[in-house]
Order: sequence, then C-alpha cells, then structure tokens
Amino acid sequence: DGGITQSPKYLFRKEGQNVTLSCEQNLNHDAMYWYRQDPGQGLRLIYYSQIVNDFQKGDIAEGYSVSREKKESFPLTVTSAQKNPTAFYLCASSIDPGQGRVPQHFGDGTRLSIL
Amino acid sequence: KNEVEQSPQNLTAQEGEFITINCSYSVGISALHWLQQHPGGGIVSLFMLSSGKKKHGRLIATINIQEKHSSLHITASHPRDSAVYICAVRPLTGNQFYFGTGTSLTVIP
Repeated sequence: DGGITQSPKYLFRKEGQNVTLSCEQNLNHDAMYWYRQDPGQGLRLIYYSQIVNDFQKGDIAEGYSVSREKKESFPLTVTSAQKNPTAFYLCASSIDPGQGRVPQHFGDGTRLSIL
Repeated sequence: KNEVEQSPQNLTAQEGEFITINCSYSVGISALHWLQQHPGGGIVSLFMLSSGKKKHGRLIATINIQEKHSSLHITASHPRDSAVYICAVRPLTGNQFYFGTGTSLTVIP
C-alpha cells in the first residue's frame, strides 16, 4: 500500500544534541511538508519542498534543517538551536502543490521529548 | 491571529447523536479540508471541499464560500468516531495550508 512512513514513533533528545526524524513516501508525490503540533495549537509549517533538491522555510523554521536529495525522502533535523523541541512532528505529502486542490497525505507522526 | 477558527473545542456526545463541528476562516481560499486525528496521532484526510456539500458514509461536509464557513456533520455517532477533527484551508495564494486547533470529540456508548 502507498503511504507515508515516519520513524521513529518516539524520540528522546538530550540537551545540545541534534536529532533527525525520518519521512519516506512511496506515493510518487512531488511535494513534502513538515509540521509541528503543540497542545492547543494548530499544525504549524516548519519546511516544505516542492521538488527534489529544493525546499522553503515555513512559519517556524528556526532551529530546524531539512534536505530533499530523493523524491521519496524528506528528513527533518532538529538542531540544538531549537530551544523548545518537545512536540509532535507530522510529515505530509501532496501530488502537486501548485494545483491547490489536492489532499495531503499524512504520516503517523514522531513524538519528540527532551531528556 | 488565527486564520482558521473551530468550534467547539471539545465535544462529548452520546452514541447515536447527530454532531456538528464548525469551521470559520478569514481568507479567500481555494480549498478546505477536514482531517481526522486519531489518539495515536496519525491524521487521515476526510474531505476536500471547494464548494457545496460532500457525503461519505455517516459524514457530511458543507461549505459556504460567501460566509467563509464550513461544517462537518456526523450522523448516528459511534464511539469509534472519537477523535480530533481538524479544519485546514488553502489560501488563494501561496502553497501552505492553515490549520484550526481542532475539535476533540468523545462519543460515549
């Protein structure tokens, strides 16, 4: 079955440590997104990528980095510069971000906590 | 300022009740989505609307573009409908979606 796979499901980070969250899709979608979800807030966009080797900052990109070397993969690194990384992170994809009417598919999320 | 407002924030219903969740937005949009987030965190897209009404099983979604308002209805609610329901809109310009904070629904047997 086609879908989005995020790993790990739970992740713990020590102070000063970088961690990388994995997101893989086999839907052949061009666009991929990373969102952060905090209690009582809507999903907020961290980074998005419309095509391989290209990505743009979202609303809350500070302290995060991404890469898009392959169409299927869009890993997110939470750097030590992100002072409040504890949150639920969701990866999503869509066929073509330019059309504006294509539903996004979501992964099951990674819950990151600080030790 | 949140471009998308949902109400109510929390909703508890008895099994079999008719449920309505509302979403209001402040920008012109090209599409509105209703999403369902299960307790484990995974999100499923329920509907994508740009006008009118859509029905899927016991779920009905409507949108009024002029009033910038959408509703999600659940008929004959069931405990397995318990989840957080999220409204998301895609503005006419840009590639982003804006998300509401969600409505947490609990259906009691």
